[in-house]
Amino acid sequence: EDQVTQSPEALRLQEGESSSLNCSYTVSGLRGLFWYRQDPGKGPEFLFTLYSAGEEKEKERLKATLTKKESFLHITAPKPEDSATYLCAVHYGQNFVFGPGTRLSALP
Amino acid sequence: GAVVSQHPSWVICKSGTSVKIECRSLDFQATTMFWYRQFPKQSLMLMATSNEGSKATYEQGVEKDKFLINHASLTLSTLTVTSAHPEDSSFYICSARDPIGETQYFGPGTRLLVL
Repeated sequence: EDQVTQSPEALRLQEGESSSLNCSYTVSGLRGLFWYRQDPGKGPEFLFTLYSAGEEKEKERLKATLTKKESFLHITAPKPEDSATYLCAVHYGQNFVFGPGTRLSALP
Repeated sequence: GAVVSQHPSWVICKSGTSVKIECRSLDFQATTMFWYRQFPKQSLMLMATSNEGSKATYEQGVEKDKFLINHASLTLSTLTVTSAHPEDSSFYICSARDPIGETQYFGPGTRLLVL
């Protein structure tokens, strides 16, 4: 069964405490994996697109990596403004499926 | 990133009335746009795929006669919630797909409250 999961469901970090968020997928014919950030009451904000295993992309304190089965979003030395829900989405065939998200709280 | 706008950002209406939500792609022409619904603390649920110049494709369980979608131009898609009821109250979000990289860019969302 095609599936997209994310872990952990929620993550509380102290400011400056680095960690990684996981997005695992079991789909055939991956066309792209996307990371978004969503703040409460707002639409998702695009962060990264990854197309093939081994690909990495960085933006400020965030770094996304991709393997054949999963993607990681690494957050280095998070700041309180990084607090949000991080969503991954997988594009395969004609489908675009979101994971359930990870709620990140970066405490000062 | 690309900009997608939605209007209105929030709307309150009486039960039985219809509400139209507009979604505009401001930076690129989008042949495909999407409509999602999101409940509190849940992920996005795809409602339908809106294709310019053709009928929308609805996900299983979504009533096409209740949620009317029109994609009349390459930069505008509209969602009309017909005869709205309190259970239709939700956060509706649209997205436009970049035809080159296939990334979906999302609007800011519309919060609908049906009294």
